[in-house]
Amino acid sequence: GIQVEQSPPDLILQEGANSTLRCNFSDSVNNLQWFHQNPWGQLINLFYIPSGTKQNGRLSATTVATERYSLLYISSSQTTDSGVYFCAVEDRGGSEKLVFGKGTKLTVNP
Amino acid sequence: DAGVIQSPRHEVTEMGQEVTLRCKPISGHDYLFWYRQTMMRGLELLIYFNNNVPIDDSGMPEDRFSAKMPNASFSTLKIQPSEPRDSAVYFCASRPSANQPQHFGDGTRLSIL
Repeated sequence: GIQVEQSPPDLILQEGANSTLRCNFSDSVNNLQWFHQNPWGQLINLFYIPSGTKQNGRLSATTVATERYSLLYISSSQTTDSGVYFCAVEDRGGSEKLVFGKGTKLTVNP
Repeated sequence: DAGVIQSPRHEVTEMGQEVTLRCKPISGHDYLFWYRQTMMRGLELLIYFNNNVPIDDSGMPEDRFSAKMPNASFSTLKIQPSEPRDSAVYFCASRPSANQPQHFGDGTRLSIL
């Protein structure tokens, strides 16, 4: 099945810093989503982005489907950005399920 | 709009007991997914439905697990008998149609003692 790799696994920032999270996937995808799992365990939809670029406030994402990767940019980080960021993909040739990466654990210190 | 609603939020029970988790998808969504999150295996699909019909149940661990979707607004995931290794967070998600984002509920944190 499709493989999803996220990097880095852990990231520690000072408030106000910028960061880039990466997601590599091993095959063509129909769907790619970025989620933020907050300290209460909720999975928050950030972006649905199988290709192209989107922005939402301080967050933006870019997916280059032909090269099989996606990037999530966080600018001017805040302590509330802390948590785990997951990339999840739906394999174009397979089941309609989302296959999740292992996540990037982000800690933003005040 | 109301999101995906799961109940209970937390469940603690003893090994051998039957556990029933419930999910109400977003109205008008044709797809419903059940995922499980553990430290060892991360987030994995258990089963998903399209128009109330199970499509892929290859992630269901064993016969102790069963899922139903009797109508478009309700699904259950049942574990009988439960075992300590079933302890996990169980998420339900829904989406309106193919090639649309999945929306997740807040999850049920299940502890089997």
